[in-house]
Amino acid sequence: GAGVSQTPSNKVTEKGKYVELRCDPISGHTALYWYRQSLGQGPEFLIYFQGTGAADDSGLPNDRFFAVRPEGSVSTLKIQRTERGDSAVYLCASSQGPSEPQHFGDGTRLSIL
Amino acid sequence: SQKIEQNSEALNIQEGKTATLTCNYTNYSPAYLQWYRQDPGRGPVFLLLIRENEKEKRKERLKVTFDTTLKQSLFHITASQPADSATYLCAVNSGGYQKVTFGTGTKLQVIP
Repeated sequence: GAGVSQTPSNKVTEKGKYVELRCDPISGHTALYWYRQSLGQGPEFLIYFQGTGAADDSGLPNDRFFAVRPEGSVSTLKIQRTERGDSAVYLCASSQGPSEPQHFGDGTRLSIL
Repeated sequence: SQKIEQNSEALNIQEGKTATLTCNYTNYSPAYLQWYRQDPGRGPVFLLLIRENEKEKRKERLKVTFDTTLKQSLFHITASQPADSATYLCAVNSGGYQKVTFGTGTKLQVIP
């Protein structure tokens, strides 16, 4: 079956703009994660959804970052008033449940000019 | 403070040899630990998960050990091949049952 799909694969925008990054998880996976990865680093946890609710958003760096998963499937990560420091690869992963192996998409490479 | 350390230097080994990668963690009490492979421009790919009550796990040419006393996991690739060249990430269960924290990864290069 299809894996985790992330769109767009690349996004270039200007400082101060608003961006939305989309994640389509594997069908039937109840757990969904967002991570941010900078060059030479491992993925950094942002937020975890179990179903429709954000069960753990402790990794969101500030209130400019917000994520939703209204129907328990597709998720959108939203970043307001983007800053150059937000430039990174944003990865989405899904799993059958907490503590299960995570299946990652190939990420959205976000560049803030 | 909490830390996850992986071999910071790249690891170069000859084809056919066994590669051993190290993951050390401090100030975590993980219920499980995972290893992932990441190729350039791609997302991580899950390889193995080992739980706190397991000492060792194997899958084909891969073996992982988990020593909760030493706070260390070792990841072995036997009979290594050039296609095994990639970055390998250790992920430690770090909060609740769902959260993992990744190490910075070890870049493995298998030389033909």
